[in-house]
Amino acid sequence: EDKVVQSPLSLVVHEGDTVTLNCSYEVTNFRSLLWYKQEKKAPTFLFMLTSSGIEKKSGRLSSILDKKELSSILNITATQTGDSAIYLCAYDNYGQNFVFGPGTRLSVLP
Amino acid sequence: NAGVTQTPKFRILKIGQSMTLQCTQDMNHNYMYWYRQDPGMGLKLIYYSVGAGITDKGEVPNGYNVSRSTTEDFPLRLELAAPSQTSVYFCASSYRAGERNEQYFGPGTRLTVT
Repeated sequence: EDKVVQSPLSLVVHEGDTVTLNCSYEVTNFRSLLWYKQEKKAPTFLFMLTSSGIEKKSGRLSSILDKKELSSILNITATQTGDSAIYLCAYDNYGQNFVFGPGTRLSVLP
Repeated sequence: NAGVTQTPKFRILKIGQSMTLQCTQDMNHNYMYWYRQDPGMGLKLIYYSVGAGITDKGEVPNGYNVSRSTTEDFPLRLELAAPSQTSVYFCASSYRAGERNEQYFGPGTRLTVT
């Protein structure tokens, strides 16, 4: 059965810290891996990583895909309280749908 | 563009009642999805649709039904509400072509069944 595992499930840091969130997947037909940020409401799209785009960066956030290890990391540098959220990882299989991990709950304290 | 809209935002149902959660997207996306999210959990796929007239079951379809008569609309029907269906429901859409497939989510519907 295809599944996505995220670690840690919960993380508390202070402003200015750098964090690394992990996502690993066991899938039969990998197409792409996506990261989302979920604050109080709906998830918002951050990055999509594919075979042709294994590293993405946007401001203080960056993500890398390791297809050999079937994993991805999401890095956030110089964290701010506004980064507090649940970060969801999902893979897109060729079965035309998405499988989400349980999420990492990040709390950034002032 | 309004993106993905969902109604209602909140609803309380009694056990055995039925209701329809509405979802509309105005981005001409071919794919649409319904997820539920229980407290502290990730998103679980209920049903999805690859285009008008085509729907398929996801991971947790029991107790739900969907239809996709138009590209824009993808309503989710609960026929006999049960406490286990208390959850937050998200509708999403995406345009899948080549490597493009990022999903856009609606604001969610918080449903309580008592």
